[in-house]
Amino acid sequence: DGGITQSPKYLFRKEGQNVTLSCEQNLNHDAMYWYRQDPGQGLRLIYYSQIVNDFQKGDIAEGYSVSREKKESFPLTVTSAQKNPTAFYLCASSPGTGLYGYTFGSGTRLTVV
Amino acid sequence: AQSVTQLGSHVSVSEGALVLLRCNYSSSVPPYLFWYVQYPNQGLQLLLKYTSAATLVKGINGFEAEFKKSETSFHLTKPSAHMSDAAEYFCAVSDQGYSTLTFGKGTMLLVSP
Repeated sequence: DGGITQSPKYLFRKEGQNVTLSCEQNLNHDAMYWYRQDPGQGLRLIYYSQIVNDFQKGDIAEGYSVSREKKESFPLTVTSAQKNPTAFYLCASSPGTGLYGYTFGSGTRLTVV
Repeated sequence: AQSVTQLGSHVSVSEGALVLLRCNYSSSVPPYLFWYVQYPNQGLQLLLKYTSAATLVKGINGFEAEFKKSETSFHLTKPSAHMSDAAEYFCAVSDQGYSTLTFGKGTMLLVSP
């Protein structure tokens, strides 16, 4: 079955370390997205990519980086510059236009220890 | 710029009662509108969407929503709540031609026996 796979489901990071969250899709979607979810704040867009080798900053890109070397993959790196990285991270994909909405992965919960 | 306001961070209903979750949007152009549901520690699942066709949209699990342009609203309803409906619900908007969704802050639906 087609879908989006995020891994790992839970991730613990020491302060000052970079960590990379994986997101893979087999839906043949052109566009992929990363959102951060905090209690009471809804979903906030970190980065998105509409085509391979291209991506744009969202509303809260500081302290994060991404790459899009393959259509299927859109990894997110949380760098040590992100001051408050503890959150639930959601990856999504879409065919590319606003008409279809998104398909979401099951999320990665990152905790800084 | 588009935005979404969900009235009420928490809504409580009794099992069998009407469910009404409110969503108002602002958009400079006719929007696409979506409702998503999220169960604990999971990704978001699409309930229904409005894409300029019928103003009354039916979705999964007995939910429906009505697009009212004059009120800039897209409220979600279900005639009879079930315990399994307890979850967080998100309204989202996308301008036609753009691929990114803007989400509301979410409404937690609590269902009591």
